[in-house]
Amino acid sequence: DGGITQSPKYLFRKEGQNVTLSCEQNLNHDAMYWYRQDPGQGLRLIYYSQIVNDFQKGDIAEGYSVSREKKESFPLTVTSAQKNPTAFYLCASSLSRLDGYTFGSGTRLTVV
Amino acid sequence: AQSVTQPDIHITVSEGASLELRCNYSYGATPYLFWYVQSPGQGLQLLLKYFSGDTLVQGIKGFEAEFKRSQSSFNLRKPSVHWSDAAEYFCAVVFWAGGTSYGKLTFGQGTILTVHP
Repeated sequence: DGGITQSPKYLFRKEGQNVTLSCEQNLNHDAMYWYRQDPGQGLRLIYYSQIVNDFQKGDIAEGYSVSREKKESFPLTVTSAQKNPTAFYLCASSLSRLDGYTFGSGTRLTVV
Repeated sequence: AQSVTQPDIHITVSEGASLELRCNYSYGATPYLFWYVQSPGQGLQLLLKYFSGDTLVQGIKGFEAEFKRSQSSFNLRKPSVHWSDAAEYFCAVVFWAGGTSYGKLTFGQGTILTVHP
């Protein structure tokens, strides 16, 4: 079945270390997105990509980086510059603006 | 500014009771509107969507939503709530600037639904 796979489900890192979250989709969707979710704040857009080798900053891109070398993959790197990285991260993809997004099951990152 | 507001942070209902979750948006044109549901520690599942046509849309799990342009609202309803409906619900809107852009999905803050037996 088609879908979005995020790995790992739980991730622990020491403060000051960079960490990369994986997102893979087999839906043949052009657009992919990364959101951050914190309690009481809804979902906030970090980065998005509408085509391979192109991506745009979202509302809270500082301290994060992405790449889009393949249509299926959109990894997110949380760098040491991100001041408060502990959060639940959700990856999504979309076929068009009329279809809404398909979400992965998320990665919970804890930085200690 | 474009925004999405869910006025109720937490709603508690009894099983079998009716439910209405509120969503308001601020946007100059007709938006693309969605409702999602999220169980704890999980991703989001699409319940229903609206972008044109009949303003009352039906979704999965017995949910429906009504678009009211005059009130800039897209409220989610269910006639009889089941215990399994307990989750967090998000209203979301694509504010599209035109052209070939996909637009970006902007979420409300979410409403946590608790269901009492």
